[in-house]
Amino acid sequence: AQSVTQLDSQVPVFEEAPVELRCNYSSSVSVYLFWYVQYPNQGLQLLLKYLSGSTLVKGINGFEAEFNKSQTSFHLRKPSVHISDTAEYFCAVSRDDKIIFGKGTRLHILP
Amino acid sequence: ETGVTQTPRHLVMGMTNKKSLKCEQHLGHNAMYWYKQSAKKPLELMFVYNFKEQTENNSVPSRFSPECPNSSHLFLHLHTLQPEDSALYLCASSPLANRNTEAFFGQGTRLTVV
Repeated sequence: AQSVTQLDSQVPVFEEAPVELRCNYSSSVSVYLFWYVQYPNQGLQLLLKYLSGSTLVKGINGFEAEFNKSQTSFHLRKPSVHISDTAEYFCAVSRDDKIIFGKGTRLHILP
Repeated sequence: ETGVTQTPRHLVMGMTNKKSLKCEQHLGHNAMYWYKQSAKKPLELMFVYNFKEQTENNSVPSRFSPECPNSSHLFLHLHTLQPEDSALYLCASSPLANRNTEAFFGQGTRLTVV
């Protein structure tokens, strides 16, 4: 079975500072990984995805993630955050015909 | 414009009421999903429809009844709900229900059961 663990429920970070949101997955087969963002009172929006190929994936809004097979991780990074990045971020893994989500990490941007 | 539209955005209903949530996608996708998002809990997949056929029912209580009349529309019929069913209900679609594609989400219906 595949599952996703997001290690931090909340991450505070100062504006213009870098941030890393951690995600680990468990799977015995090839995986397809996603990061979604949910702004307040909105649905989920895809930030980026890893299907195959380069392990460094670039997404929207300046985010990127690196697939690390040996560490079964898919951490999300941004070199300089903005107040508009305040949201909840979900890591997800696909399995058969469905997508399984982590519990989410709430990103707080401090002025 | 997300391509996936959910109505209503907010719904308050009593435990004896019957109501329906509607989802419509304008993306030409063939798979549609219902998710439940409760406070402090991970997103829970409820139902999956692929080419109008239900392929997944994740042990959802029978007071939730999905309907998929065509690949563009998905309903969630609600009856005799409990207060713990209060949550954000998210609809999503994808080209096919397989491993290679991401899901596109609507903005959700915020349901409050009183």
